[in-house]
Amino acid sequence: DAGVIQSPRHEVTEMGQEVTLRCKPISGHDYLFWYRQTMMRGLELLIYFNNNVPIDDSGMPEDRFSAKMPNASFSTLKIQPSEPRDSAVYFCASSFRVRETQYFGPGTRLLVL
Amino acid sequence: AQKITQTQPGMFVQEKEAVTLDCTYDTSDQSYGLFWYKQPSSGEMIFLIYQGSYDEQNATEGRYSLNFQKARKSANLVISASQLGDSAMYFCAMSRGGADGLTFGKGTHLIIQP
Repeated sequence: DAGVIQSPRHEVTEMGQEVTLRCKPISGHDYLFWYRQTMMRGLELLIYFNNNVPIDDSGMPEDRFSAKMPNASFSTLKIQPSEPRDSAVYFCASSFRVRETQYFGPGTRLLVL
Repeated sequence: AQKITQTQPGMFVQEKEAVTLDCTYDTSDQSYGLFWYKQPSSGEMIFLIYQGSYDEQNATEGRYSLNFQKARKSANLVISASQLGDSAMYFCAMSRGGADGLTFGKGTHLIIQP
């Protein structure tokens, strides 16, 4: 079975542009998580979904960030407008049930110039 | 609030030696899970091992074992017979009993020397 799929793998954009990151979770997994990794803050949870419904978005840094999960096999994380401080690696992860192991995608490395 | 502490920013170990990576946690929850992930230089996050707070036996997965000491709130990862391919960042993480995400430690950079 394929793992978590993320696209793009790398994104370079200019400040002010809209950025959309995409994630396909493992089939059958009910939970989807978005994380961000930076040198300064480490790995931090941004938002997570259960059965396509956002449960906790308290980690979303500000209104410029939004996430959707229109169906069980697709989620997006959007940044509009992007800023240089958004530069980071963004991971998507999924799990089957509560407290089950989360499997991570390869990440999207975002650079905002 | 939960907190994960990894006190070893970096470690150098000779190949074939056993390695212990330290992890302590702080939580008021009775039900929680503890995880270890490996992040090689290529960047992906690889799940290694899981320990539930109610599990009485220490978890083992191949060369990996988790030394779980609940009273001390520690969950150290032990890698037996280290290999050059074990060189990577290692993250300890915790989940709560509810449907929350993971709280991660800062990580330990492990370098295996030939």
